[in-house]
Amino acid sequence: DADVTQTPRNRITKTGKRIMLECSQTKGHDRMYWYRQDPGLGLRLIYYSFDVKDINKGEISDGYSVSRQAQAKFSLSLESAIPNQTALYFCATSDPEAGPYEQYFGPGTRLTVT
Amino acid sequence: AQKITQTQPGMFVQEKEAVTLDCTYDTSDQSYGLFWYKQPSSGEMIFLIYQGSYDEQNATEGRYSLNFQKARKSANLVISASQLGDSAMYFCAMRGGTGGGNKLTFGTGTQLKVEL
Repeated sequence: DADVTQTPRNRITKTGKRIMLECSQTKGHDRMYWYRQDPGLGLRLIYYSFDVKDINKGEISDGYSVSRQAQAKFSLSLESAIPNQTALYFCATSDPEAGPYEQYFGPGTRLTVT
Repeated sequence: AQKITQTQPGMFVQEKEAVTLDCTYDTSDQSYGLFWYKQPSSGEMIFLIYQGSYDEQNATEGRYSLNFQKARKSANLVISASQLGDSAMYFCAMRGGTGGGNKLTFGTGTQLKVEL
């Protein structure tokens, strides 16, 4: 089984709808991240969490919110989806105690907002 | 602020040849890490290689090596003996220093196409 899973893998939604992307991990890592990937822009950080009680904004957090329900679960919500949030979304985990601080990525969620 | 620059949007290489993908970075941190990830057309992110800022030797992992030139702030990826399966998008990324939360800053990527 994959160490980092994301659901759904693909989603098409309409403008104005609320949508939640979920991420689960079995690696036991405290740190979790949400990135979005747009063509030609690489990956950009949306939110990150050091543990259940520590959540931080990344460089592009506007329009998004997150919830860290447990060490293993980190969800990303779009409260009112808009077309420019169409992107590939990645969840990742890391363990600062295990050098070289590699991040382990989930398979990605392809979101289309129409 | 940290920045990663990949100036080659696309590259072509013949099978069995070596190819170098360029990456330059900018940071004021003394301690940092540099990563390369591969993204095939299926979309997943695959970790390839890591170089720490204090590592004296260039990192190598099989056919991948990282040409780290600290004074030039460059961290180029060298793929030797290219294979058709190396065709993918390649991202250079940097982890900042202490207090950075292991966040990665990514470049815009280089699309590599390996030809027969």
